[in-house]
Amino acid sequence: QLVLTQSPSASASLGASVKLTCTLSSGHSSYAIAWHQQQPEQGPRYLMKLNSDGSHSKGDGIPDRFSGSSSGAERYLTISSLQSDDEADYYCQTWGTGTVLFGGGTKLTVL
Amino acid sequence: EVQLVESGGGLVQPGGSLRLSCTVSGFPFSGYWMHWVRQAPGKGLVWVSRINEDGSSPTYADSVKGRFTLSRDNAKNTLYLQMNSLRAEDTAVYYCARVGDRSGYYKFDFWGQGTLVTVSS
Repeated sequence: QLVLTQSPSASASLGASVKLTCTLSSGHSSYAIAWHQQQPEQGPRYLMKLNSDGSHSKGDGIPDRFSGSSSGAERYLTISSLQSDDEADYYCQTWGTGTVLFGGGTKLTVL
Repeated sequence: EVQLVESGGGLVQPGGSLRLSCTVSGFPFSGYWMHWVRQAPGKGLVWVSRINEDGSSPTYADSVKGRFTLSRDNAKNTLYLQMNSLRAEDTAVYYCARVGDRSGYYKFDFWGQGTLVTVSS
């Protein structure tokens, strides 16, 4: 069964970097995912598509501070030079034939 | 300017029905896959349904299959989600979203503001 697992929370200091993880379930390590950001009281925002080889394509206007990488069944979102408005929920998302799945989300706190 | 505006949410009793609408502007509606995604209060995003450009192939999450029906009227630039046999666990903000990649699966590039559905007696 296709499942995406994310840690519920993460924190990092202003100006630092943080690496968020999304883990694909067993047997699905070749799947691409997408990362989305949801700031408080706002709708989600598409960040990027991330392939199993680590290649990624970002959405329009997404800063270079956001990057993606992959290792096996793990998909990562790295945010560098953290800013206060990076404090948000971050969701990974994948898909199969006719279906779409979101991970549970990681709440990022910028200290 | 791309806009997606949902409507039709509200309070409904368990077992009741609602029809959500999503009216779009600023882009050629008939050229895009469209989705509904919901978010229960304080919870994460949950995919509900998607529909292809001409409306011929909607698909659904298992949790709503057989109860919800997704359709679109390309002449009216409007997406519809008919929700029947509603349950308390369907309570959520419902977002419509445009998906901008050709596969229709991941580039959720524009979202509406959401409409709240509350299922309660």
